[in-house]
Amino acid sequence: GAVVSQHPSRVICKSGTSVKIECRSLDFQATTMFWYRQFPKQSLMLMATSNEGSKATYEQGVEKDKFLINHASLTLSTLTVTSAHPEDSSFYICSARPGELANTGELFFGEGSRLTVL
Amino acid sequence: SQQGEEDPQALSIQEGENATMNCSYKTSINNLQWYRQNSGRGLVHLILIRSNEREKHSGRLRVTLDTSKKSSSLLITASRAADTASYFCATDAWNKLVFGAGTILRVKS
Repeated sequence: GAVVSQHPSRVICKSGTSVKIECRSLDFQATTMFWYRQFPKQSLMLMATSNEGSKATYEQGVEKDKFLINHASLTLSTLTVTSAHPEDSSFYICSARPGELANTGELFFGEGSRLTVL
Repeated sequence: SQQGEEDPQALSIQEGENATMNCSYKTSINNLQWYRQNSGRGLVHLILIRSNEREKHSGRLRVTLDTSKKSSSLLITASRAADTASYFCATDAWNKLVFGAGTILRVKS
């Protein structure tokens, strides 16, 4: 199946700093990528849909200035958590859907990035 | 919210037994998908069932979909210890996936 790479897998930062998480589709082009957030023992909550070459679409309640998403190429989307606070600590997971499978619905997920804000 | 609900929240069975997980959702869907997540890892796609399908099989997995009841079930037959994981249903509508709460499955050897 298609491969999605996410980096870093773990990051610890101080409160007030910004952290960037990268999501790459390694063997396919993805015009759309999705960013999810997962709290311990809970489900995935969709944060935003990243669209190549245009602005991301954020879900209700997600601060776009807090979680900056950039999808500059067909294989890379980045999520930047700005001015991080301890409550931003979470597991962030990206996913992508190959363009030729746009109608099948199957998503390929990265391995996730665990953010800890001290 | 379209987020589905799954039951049970947690399921513990012996190796060799069957495991059944259920998922309910609220709105119309294009398809429904099941994913598996090992602790602290990303999700792996298991199976997709379209809104016009009622049942689908893949290896030891059997999925049913009842659109009139807005519900789906995932059956894992002859479970193995390696099946221990969290299982999520996800509904696909308007080109985005919304995940259910998940079922934590533990298969004891």
